[in-house]
Amino acid sequence: QKEVEQNSGPLSVPEGAIASLNCTYSDRGSQSFFWYRQYSGKSPELIMFIYSNGDKEDGRFTAQLNKASQYVSLLIRDSQPSDSATYLCAVNAGYSTLTFGKGTMLLVSP
Amino acid sequence: GAVVSQHPSWVICKSGTSVKIECRSLDFQATTMFWYRQFPKQSLMLMATSNEGSKATYEQGVEKDKFLINHASLTLSTLTVTSAHPEDSSFYICSMDYGEMGSYEQYFGPGTRLTVT
Repeated sequence: QKEVEQNSGPLSVPEGAIASLNCTYSDRGSQSFFWYRQYSGKSPELIMFIYSNGDKEDGRFTAQLNKASQYVSLLIRDSQPSDSATYLCAVNAGYSTLTFGKGTMLLVSP
Repeated sequence: GAVVSQHPSWVICKSGTSVKIECRSLDFQATTMFWYRQFPKQSLMLMATSNEGSKATYEQGVEKDKFLINHASLTLSTLTVTSAHPEDSSFYICSMDYGEMGSYEQYFGPGTRLTVT
C-alpha cells in the first residue's frame, strides 16, 4: 500500500524564520512529488513540484528530494503569517493518481 | 494558466434531493479529472477518477450509484449527489490533471460546500 507520511504539527515558527516541512513516502517507484498549500476552508493550491534528486527553488520556497531516502521536504524562507496553512505532500508513481499525505499545519507568528 | 472553476461554491439542500456540481478547466484541456471529499479537519479523500469518454473509477467504499460522475468533455466534469442525506454534507473538490509531458500536476477547483438538512 502506497503511503505518504507527514507530521501533523502544528509547526510553529516566528515571522522571518525558515519553516521546514518534511514528507516520507513508501513507494520506491514514485516519480513526481508535489507540495500543496491549503488554507482553512479552501481547496489545495499547488506551490511546488519536483521530479529529480536535489533542490528546486521558486522564490521563498525550496523543494528538496532524496529518492534514496524516500524523502521530500519543503523549505519556506522568511516565513510570513500569510504562510500559515496546512501543507500537503503528494506523490505520483507514474500514473495520474496522486497519493496525498495528511498534511502538516504551519503556524507563523508575527 | 491551469485555472479550474467549480460551481456552485456552496449549496444547501433538503434530505432526499439531488445536487449537481460542475467542474470546468478554463484554460487547458484535462484528460483525467478527479473528485475528492474533505470532512472538517480531515484529509482529502479521493472519491473517483474519470477519463473523458469512459466510466469513472470509484475508490473503495464510494457508492457509484449515489455519486454520479459524468466526464462530458476535456474541460467539463460533473458530480451529482443523488438522494443526499445529512451524512453527505462535506466539502467536495474537483481537480484536473494538467498532464504536460506526463507531469501529473493536478490543479484543484475552489470546492463546493454541501450542506444537507
